[in-house]
Amino acid sequence: QKEVEQNSGPLSVPEGAIASLNCTYSDRGSQSFFWYRQYSGKSPELIMFIYSNGDKEDGRFTAQLNKASQYVSLLIRDSQPSDSATYLCAASRRYSGGGADGLTFGKGTHLIIQP
Amino acid sequence: EAQVTQNPRYLITVTGKKLTVTCSQNMNHEYMSWYRQDPGLGLRQIYYSMNVEVTDKGDVPEGYKVSRKEKRNFPLILESPSPNQTSLYFCASSLRQGVADTQYFGPGTRLTVL
Repeated sequence: QKEVEQNSGPLSVPEGAIASLNCTYSDRGSQSFFWYRQYSGKSPELIMFIYSNGDKEDGRFTAQLNKASQYVSLLIRDSQPSDSATYLCAASRRYSGGGADGLTFGKGTHLIIQP
Repeated sequence: EAQVTQNPRYLITVTGKKLTVTCSQNMNHEYMSWYRQDPGLGLRQIYYSMNVEVTDKGDVPEGYKVSRKEKRNFPLILESPSPNQTSLYFCASSLRQGVADTQYFGPGTRLTVL
């Protein structure tokens, strides 16, 4: 069974510091990985995706992927109070037909940025 | 404006009364999906559709039906709702499901089954 694991938190980080969010996945067939942010009562919104080993940077966000260790992380630099939210990690698997059979989400990490 | 819409946003119903939650996207996306979100359990996929007339079960399909007669619409049907289907439901779409495709989520439908 495909699983994506995240520490539920809460993870408390002072404003201006780096927030580090981690995720592990069990399915070695997973090929692409997504980080979503979800504010309470709202729908998830995509922050970043990554599918190659290594780092990918977008503004204050850096996603890291290590397929050998089955590990994905998200770093948020210069954390702001508006970054306080639940962060969802998701893994997608591509099947032989060329498509994929959906996203498996972790349960999310609740991040609190302390002013 | 590119968006995914869901209706209704809030619904309180009783056990056994059939209901439909509509989902529509205006981005010409091929892939659509339904999720439910419950405290402590996270987002779980109910059904998904790769294209018109192509649907498949996700992780928690029991008690739900879907159809994809048109590319833009993907309704979720609960033939005989039960209290354990009380949840927050999200519809999502993407151009195609694969590497690097962004899934756009609808605003959510909060369903309570009494």
